[in-house]
Amino acid sequence: QKEVEQDPGPLSVPEGAIVSLNCTYSNSAFQYFMWYRQYSRKGPELLMYTYSSGNKEDGRFTAQVDKSSKYISLFIRDSQPSDSATYLCAMVTDSWGKLQFGAGTQVVVTP
Amino acid sequence: NAGVTQTPKFQVLKTGQSMTLQCAQDMNHNSMYWYRQDPGMGLRLIYYSASEGTTDKGEVPNGYNVSRLNKREFSLRLESAAPSQTSVYFCASSEAGGPGTDTQYFGPGTRLTVL
Repeated sequence: QKEVEQDPGPLSVPEGAIVSLNCTYSNSAFQYFMWYRQYSRKGPELLMYTYSSGNKEDGRFTAQVDKSSKYISLFIRDSQPSDSATYLCAMVTDSWGKLQFGAGTQVVVTP
Repeated sequence: NAGVTQTPKFQVLKTGQSMTLQCAQDMNHNSMYWYRQDPGMGLRLIYYSASEGTTDKGEVPNGYNVSRLNKREFSLRLESAAPSQTSVYFCASSEAGGPGTDTQYFGPGTRLTVL
């Protein structure tokens, strides 16, 4: 069983809708949680970074961590066609640990 | 400021051939990484170098070797390519510390096919 599970999608939404993405994990030692965005045929880029449970907001993006349920989420408000990409969750046990990535969810925002 | 660059962008090899993937960063970062990305598997760490002069195995190191040539450059070598090594390879770098707390910057990737 993978340590990090993520639905690969694709997830298709109309422009302006809220996009909801999530990952589950099995290792309770994970402490740092990240979301990366990857456009087609490009390298991933860091979107959001959170430590511990709770919410973090950055513009149209909100990241949530629920350690008790071992569940993290990313919400994109007022989605735009430019948000069409693959979103990967990643997590690590401590500052010197190795990142564990989810498989990535492909998001398509249609005009 | 080019960030992280990788060469080549595409490569086709026959089984048993060898090749070296090159990676360079111009951000004066201490740590560098090599990942492979396969459909449904996400990114998996092959090797990393926490600082110049050190290298360590990641999750899937078998069949690969690495060299941290200097602070800027980190190469990945396939000595005898196998079809299972068909993948997209990404190099990344980060400023300091370990992979957990500082941002990793990724290159554009190398698409490798082994026939």
